[in-house]
Amino acid sequence: DAGITQSPRHKVTETGTPVTLRCHQTENHRYMYWYRQDPGHGLRLIHYSYGVKDTDKGEVSDGYSVSRSKTEDFLLTLESATSSQTSVYFCAISGGFAGGPTGELFFGEGSRLTVL
Amino acid sequence: GENVEQHPSTLSVQEGDSAVIKCTYSDSASNYFPWYKQELGKGPQLIIDIRSNVGEKKDQRIAVTLNKTAKHFSLHITETQPEDSAVYFCAAIILGNTPLVFGKGTRLSVIA
Repeated sequence: DAGITQSPRHKVTETGTPVTLRCHQTENHRYMYWYRQDPGHGLRLIHYSYGVKDTDKGEVSDGYSVSRSKTEDFLLTLESATSSQTSVYFCAISGGFAGGPTGELFFGEGSRLTVL
Repeated sequence: GENVEQHPSTLSVQEGDSAVIKCTYSDSASNYFPWYKQELGKGPQLIIDIRSNVGEKKDQRIAVTLNKTAKHFSLHITETQPEDSAVYFCAAIILGNTPLVFGKGTRLSVIA
């Protein structure tokens, strides 16, 4: 299994509070991604990173920010959580070089976030 | 950008029967089409993929076919077993370009 650790795995928080999810990898992969999974919507990309300090928005980036100060860590922050952000969040990684990622994504186990 | 449609959203089959899941994509430049399997409580995992220069690929009981002209690709699972029960996602991408775009998933139930 790819070395990907997400934390926390479960979190319950209240509307308006900040939340940070962490993804840690031991594979030294260049590309890291945050997806959210919701019933009827599948996997939707929030943000991704193509190198340290290099990030870009995905399909559903509003209300989320990310940071990547080290190759191994990719943080997802909800500055002020809302109930619509209740979801399961998956981190994924892929190898590749400056020219682009290889195809295969390796996913973490997911972080279940509930916003009350 | 790329848009991937996946059907059906749910599928029930008897153990031993075949299952077929279909996807269509919108960007004719897409050249890589993976399939992921997600078991309960786990993250998705790649089970098979196909590139645009190939029409079909098999790996034991699973196979994927690609029709570039029609812009659709399918996952075929033969001799289904209870452990095949999971959510399956198709995806499409231009390799080396933007991140994977996933279909909405198909929940497959294999009934013993």
